[in-house]
Amino acid sequence: KNQVEQSPQSLIILEGKNCTLQCNYTVSPFSNLRWYKQDTGRGPVSLTIMTFSENTKSNGRYTATLDADTKQSSLHITASQLSDSASYICVVSADSGAGSYQLTFGKGTKLSVIP
Amino acid sequence: NAGVTQTPKFRILKIGQSMTLQCTQDMNHNYMYWYRQDPGMGLKLIYYSVGAGITDKGEVPNGYNVSRSTTEDFPLRLELAAPSQTSVYFCASSYSTSQAYEQYFGPGTRLTVT
Repeated sequence: KNQVEQSPQSLIILEGKNCTLQCNYTVSPFSNLRWYKQDTGRGPVSLTIMTFSENTKSNGRYTATLDADTKQSSLHITASQLSDSASYICVVSADSGAGSYQLTFGKGTKLSVIP
Repeated sequence: NAGVTQTPKFRILKIGQSMTLQCTQDMNHNYMYWYRQDPGMGLKLIYYSVGAGITDKGEVPNGYNVSRSTTEDFPLRLELAAPSQTSVYFCASSYSTSQAYEQYFGPGTRLTVT
């Protein structure tokens, strides 16, 4: 069964500090891995999408890494801001064949940035 | 572009009632999806559509129905609402299902069944 596990479940950091969120997956056959940001009461918004051949991708202060051998990904947030307070969701796509892909969503890490 | 819009934002239903959650996208995307998000859980796919007139079941379709008469609209119908359907419902759309397609999500509908 395809699974995506995220850690920690929640995290509180001071404004200006860095943090790293983890994602482990058992999804096969792997197609790509995405990180989404979900503000409270809003829909998820894509931060990065990484395919098998990519091991790092940045979007501003967000940097995602992917180790396809160990099936792990991390999302590093640099110089955190209050607006970074949100849930961060790891999503892994499996190739279901015939051009279709199945997404497995993690439960998310709830990040709180405090002044 | 408004992107993906959903109505209503909130709704309270009594057990056994029915309702339709509306979803509209203005990006001319072929693919549309309905997810539910329960507290502390990952999103689960209810139904999806690859184009007007074509729909298919996702992971948790029981108790729901969909239709896709136009490219823009993808309503989700709840018949005989049950407390287990209390959740936040998200509609999403994408241009294709190619390897690295991006899904765009609506703001969600928070549904409570009592």
